Amino acid sequence: DAGVIQSPRHEVTEMGQEVTLRCKPISGHNSLFWYRQTMMRGLELLIYFNNNVPIDDSGMPEDRFSAKMPNASFSTLKIQPSEPRDSAVYFCASSFYGGNSPLHFGNGTRLTVT
Amino acid sequence: KQEVTQIPAALSVPEGENLVLNCSFTDSAIYNLQWFRQDPGKGLTSLLLIQSSQREQTSGRLNASLDKSSGRSTLYIAASQPGDSATYLCASPAGQGGKLIFGQGTELSVKP
Repeated sequence: DAGVIQSPRHEVTEMGQEVTLRCKPISGHNSLFWYRQTMMRGLELLIYFNNNVPIDDSGMPEDRFSAKMPNASFSTLKIQPSEPRDSAVYFCASSFYGGNSPLHFGNGTRLTVT
Repeated sequence: KQEVTQIPAALSVPEGENLVLNCSFTDSAIYNLQWFRQDPGKGLTSLLLIQSSQREQTSGRLNASLDKSSGRSTLYIAASQPGDSATYLCASPAGQGGKLIFGQGTELSVKP
């Protein structure tokens, strides 16, 4: 199994530009999570999906952030327009539904907004 | 609301030493407690998952314990090696849906 795959690994963009982060979860996993990690705030859950349906998006900081999961093997996190304070590492993770199975993380996308 | 705390934030030990990392949580009605390892520039790797009905889990030189009544979990690393140097995070679900609440992590450095 290739694990959770995220792309791109690094993204550098200018303030105001649209950014799209991509994630392919582990095949068979039906829960998908988007986390953001910064030195100041640690790991924060942005949104999670069960069976492709968004369950909790209370962690999405603003309307500039949106996430989709059109099918069981693909999800996107979009920031539009991006701002310097969005600079962070964004992780996608997947697991079997229910929270009682280990969570598997991708290697993350390091986003820098200048 | 579940809160997860890890102390200390950083720990440095000489190679070969046994060590314990601590994790505290506020809501004792947890479903499980997970321990992760994060290497620089990498994602998190799941190390151990302790179900609420269990008191401990072991994997190689790692042993994780869970005491729900006191709201504490520990990760014991035996005979530490420089390759164990990483940040270790614990996490607990907030409810049944799978949403994990993470501690801030303990950065471990094992000196040769």
